[in-house]
Amino acid sequence: DTGVSQNPRHKITKRGQNVTFRCDPISEHNRLYWYRQTLGQGPEFLTYFQNEAQLEKSRLLSDRFSAERPKGSFSTLEIQRTEQGDSAMYLCASSPYTGASEAFFGQGTRLTVV
Amino acid sequence: DQQVKQNSPSLSVQEGRISILNCDYTNSMFDYFLWYKKYPAEGPTFLISISSIKDKNEDGRFTVFLNKSAKHLSLHIVPSQPGDSAVYFCAASDGSEKLVFGKGMKLTVNP
Repeated sequence: DTGVSQNPRHKITKRGQNVTFRCDPISEHNRLYWYRQTLGQGPEFLTYFQNEAQLEKSRLLSDRFSAERPKGSFSTLEIQRTEQGDSAMYLCASSPYTGASEAFFGQGTRLTVV
Repeated sequence: DQQVKQNSPSLSVQEGRISILNCDYTNSMFDYFLWYKKYPAEGPTFLISISSIKDKNEDGRFTVFLNKSAKHLSLHIVPSQPGDSAVYFCAASDGSEKLVFGKGMKLTVNP
């Protein structure tokens, strides 16, 4: 499978716990994006990497959120001290193109905070 | 504040007929528009796009029309097929790396 891979697919955690998601982009795609989608809404931009550099962060990305992309390959998104409002689908996408065009999305990680 | 609006949450059409999905935007800086399709339990899949220098882009059964003065775009699917049943998202970009999505519209194509 050469698509964008996200793990885990589902995560249930207790409020206050930390969680980490992983995204493996399509090989050689230098651009990687994280989006969050809540029920009834479209995906909302969280952050963007070009290679290993995190070049843009949304105001949605509070201090409890951190994303990394070491060596410009896979990426991780960590949420510390989770809150019920963090419950959402977290989508990763990658692209070989400049600008926000034709990004290829993974299946997402569904987070439920109880 | 929704910068990309898909005002109809759902649409139901008969197989073989035309499906028209509408999208409005408010940010005049948007210069690139995309449509994504999403099946349950899958991530969004790119369908078709259009640059603001064009008013129409066609790819097989899918055509996107852009009316910049009205800040409106539409996706036409002709003929509609049951496999087209999915949630469709309109998205826009201002040239940055960020896509702004609408809330989506569920299309059901009945056999």
